[in-house]
Amino acid sequence: GQQVMQIPQYQHVQEGEDFTTYCNSSTTLSNIQWYKQRPGGHPVFLIQLVKSGEVKKQKRLTFQFGEAKKNSSLHITATQTTDVGTYFCAVGSSNTGKLIFGQGTTLQVKP
Amino acid sequence: NAGVTQTPKFRVLKTGQSMTLLCAQDMNHEYMYWYRQDPGMGLRLIHYSVGEGTTAKGEVPDGYNVSRLKKQNFLLGLESAAPSQTSVYFCASSYSGAANYGYTFGSGTRLTVV
Repeated sequence: GQQVMQIPQYQHVQEGEDFTTYCNSSTTLSNIQWYKQRPGGHPVFLIQLVKSGEVKKQKRLTFQFGEAKKNSSLHITATQTTDVGTYFCAVGSSNTGKLIFGQGTTLQVKP
Repeated sequence: NAGVTQTPKFRVLKTGQSMTLLCAQDMNHEYMYWYRQDPGMGLRLIHYSVGEGTTAKGEVPDGYNVSRLKKQNFLLGLESAAPSQTSVYFCASSYSGAANYGYTFGSGTRLTVV
């Protein structure tokens, strides 16, 4: 079935540094979603990317969908302590049509 | 407007005991899902429903059963709990089932099987 690999698994940064997480697939994706989960919380939908090469911004967060629609990235500029959490990418399963989640990237920010 | 509500929030079971997790949504969503989350494994789909009276298997359905008797409720049952079912369980709902709409998640149930 559909799988996505997400890297890195963990990232520790100093507050103010940038952060990027990557999501890679071996097959072409129709779309990709990104979620954020705060420690002890539940996943919260951030955004969906659909078009090849698409770039969307939400304040300090920049989401990008690769030209071949096989990879995506989430970049945070000048991290803050409020950015702490786990970021997941999610794609539609070829088996069920439902969301399959990557393993997530856990971000720690040192103040 | 509560969104997706899960009960209970925490539970400890002994091996072999049974329990039911309840998920309720007030957004009139047709599609509902049960995921489990384990360290380093992300979220894995257990079962899902595309409407009242329907259920289907996800990636990891063994040991679980589900029912969707009412549109707003989706129940997850463990008939004979095993330590391998220790996990955090999340319910989610969505407007569309085609993986092109964002999912709304509940706050989760932390289950420990001893």
